Amino acid sequence: GAGVSQSPRYKVAKRGQDVALRCDPISGHVSLFWYQQALGQGPEFLTYFQNEAQLDKSGLPSDRFFAERPEGSVSTLKIQRTQQEDSAVYLCASSPPGADRNTEAFFGQGTRLTVV
Amino acid sequence: AQSVTQLDSQVPVFEEAPVELRCNYSSSVSVYLFWYVQYPNQGLQLLLKYLSGSTLVKGINGFEAEFNKSQTSFHLRKPSVHISDTAEYFCAVSLTGGFKTIFGAGTRLFVKA
Repeated sequence: GAGVSQSPRYKVAKRGQDVALRCDPISGHVSLFWYQQALGQGPEFLTYFQNEAQLDKSGLPSDRFFAERPEGSVSTLKIQRTQQEDSAVYLCASSPPGADRNTEAFFGQGTRLTVV
Repeated sequence: AQSVTQLDSQVPVFEEAPVELRCNYSSSVSVYLFWYVQYPNQGLQLLLKYLSGSTLVKGINGFEAEFNKSQTSFHLRKPSVHISDTAEYFCAVSLTGGFKTIFGAGTRLFVKA
């Protein structure tokens, strides 16, 4: 597609359930970012990939959060044993090769996760 | 560490009036500055960015922003707003050559008829 695609758009999980959120970046984009946006807040950085390499995961809030991008394209953010505080919108962004990585980011519509 | 402060959480304004959304940042090194807009249930869309050069930056939808290094500000302006400009606006900063972008808490612009 033409833009960054995220699925599902909405996810309701029971507390303790594992979830997997998918991001399809724009074709050919090297850099991929995940952000968490709590209600009424700005997005907060979670992790960054350059191709398949996860170069920074300093924003992941706990070891329950795990992200991967095994073939350098699609990425999955996995949250194990979800807690209510994990409820948020999870945004994915990608940027093309040759761009200063953080100056040409294109965002997906996000996945709204609600933990009940 | 970098941080971003958006001074107003909500800004109500009448249609066709001018608007300014305020943003201050802190950083001890050179940064890039951005404004993004987020419509309900949508992702972020880049309005404009300052990388270097002219301190007055023009973006999409008639918005512009001015980088003021001495005041560490990057305020967003539009001379005449439309109902369709109602949205959440985020100011953001990142290190030059870096990859992590720090966002402010957002300003809700509400344009009234």
